[in-house]
Amino acid sequence: EAGVTQFPSHSVIEKGQTVTLRCDPISGHDNLYWYRRVMGKEIKFLLHFVKESKQDESGMPNNRFLAERTGGTYSTLKVQPAELEDSGVYFCASSSNRRLAFYNEQFFGPGTRLTVL
Amino acid sequence: SQKIEQNSEALNIQEGKTATLTCNYTNYSPAYLQWYRQDPGRGPVFLLLIRENEKEKRKERLKVTFDTTLKQSLFHITASQPADSATYLCALLASGGSYIPTFGRGTSLIVHP
Repeated sequence: EAGVTQFPSHSVIEKGQTVTLRCDPISGHDNLYWYRRVMGKEIKFLLHFVKESKQDESGMPNNRFLAERTGGTYSTLKVQPAELEDSGVYFCASSSNRRLAFYNEQFFGPGTRLTVL
Repeated sequence: SQKIEQNSEALNIQEGKTATLTCNYTNYSPAYLQWYRQDPGRGPVFLLLIRENEKEKRKERLKVTFDTTLKQSLFHITASQPADSATYLCALLASGGSYIPTFGRGTSLIVHP
């Protein structure tokens, strides 16, 4: 079974430009999460989708960040316009939605390293 | 504010010894605590979850303890191997159903042959 995949693996852009990150979750996983790790800091939650709906977007830093999950499959995270402080590694994770499980393990992708110059 | 502390200094040990990593937290009452492994260029990989009412949990060479009075978890790897070298992250989950982990910064473990 394929794991969570993310594209691109690296992105270097200039301040003010737009970047779109993509995440393909494990097939059949309803839950999709975005996280970010800024250099020297801990991994922080950005938002959570259940299928195509945003369940929790409390971690989104500001309105320059837009996440979508049309059709409940893959997700994109767009940063527009990018600022220097947006640099970091963006992780995506997915989990299943088994009703009997009190906790569903999250499977993480390899991350996208974003550098804003 | 909520704080999770993991030793920022790398832990260096000899192969075959037991590695012990510490996770302390403040201003938090987690219902669950997790440990993850992260290798360079990879995402975190879930290892173990322990509930607040469990004192200890084991999985193969791994053992996790959870002391809600001390607000501390210890993560042990027995008979360590060079392949165990990685960064280990602890994460806390609150009760209530969202199960969104709050991560510590992680501790790097280096096992020397």
